Amino acid sequence: DADVTQTPRNRITKTGKRIMLECSQTKGHDRMYWYRQDPGLGLRLIYYSFDVKDINKGEISDGYSVSRQAQAKFSLSLESAIPNQTALYFCATSEHGTSSGGEQFFGPGTRLTVL
Amino acid sequence: GEDVEQSLFLSVREGDSSVINCTYTDSSSTYLYWYKQEPGAGLQLLTYIFSNMDMKQDQRLTVLLNKKDKHLSLRIADTQTGDSAIYFCAEPSGGYQKVTFGTGTKLQVIP
Repeated sequence: DADVTQTPRNRITKTGKRIMLECSQTKGHDRMYWYRQDPGLGLRLIYYSFDVKDINKGEISDGYSVSRQAQAKFSLSLESAIPNQTALYFCATSEHGTSSGGEQFFGPGTRLTVL
Repeated sequence: GEDVEQSLFLSVREGDSSVINCTYTDSSSTYLYWYKQEPGAGLQLLTYIFSNMDMKQDQRLTVLLNKKDKHLSLRIADTQTGDSAIYFCAEPSGGYQKVTFGTGTKLQVIP
């Protein structure tokens, strides 16, 4: 079984709709991240969380919100989807900060299309 | 801002060597990473190098680090079709709270 799962894997929606992407992990990691991937731009960090009570904005948080419901669950919401939010979204986890060489473990991704 | 730069595309013939280059920004980074993204999948850590090393070899993979020029490279010897993927270099950021990824290099291996 996959350690980091994302649902849905694919989603097509319309402009203005509210969308939630979900991420669950069985690795027991405290740190969780949401990224979006766009061709030629690499991965950009949207939000990250170091525990249930610690949520931080990344470099492109506008238009997004998150919820850390439990250590194992981290959801990303698009309150009112717009076409330029069409992208591949990844959830990732890590055991500790990169000062200890912490590897990030990625889910399989959610492909979101906003029409 | 922090920009980790890579060329976007590389095409090689099966059996040749591939060299993927990266320029990073933070000269104080303790680690530098290479991640691999296969088609339809998330990223997986391929290898990493400590900043006090110039080179790291792991089977067909060789990582070279030039700290003076902030340049990192990944060499894949005897490139196979299964090596076709997007390769991302990455460095710690935000006081080691996060990781900044490069733009990714898509490696195409021609049979």
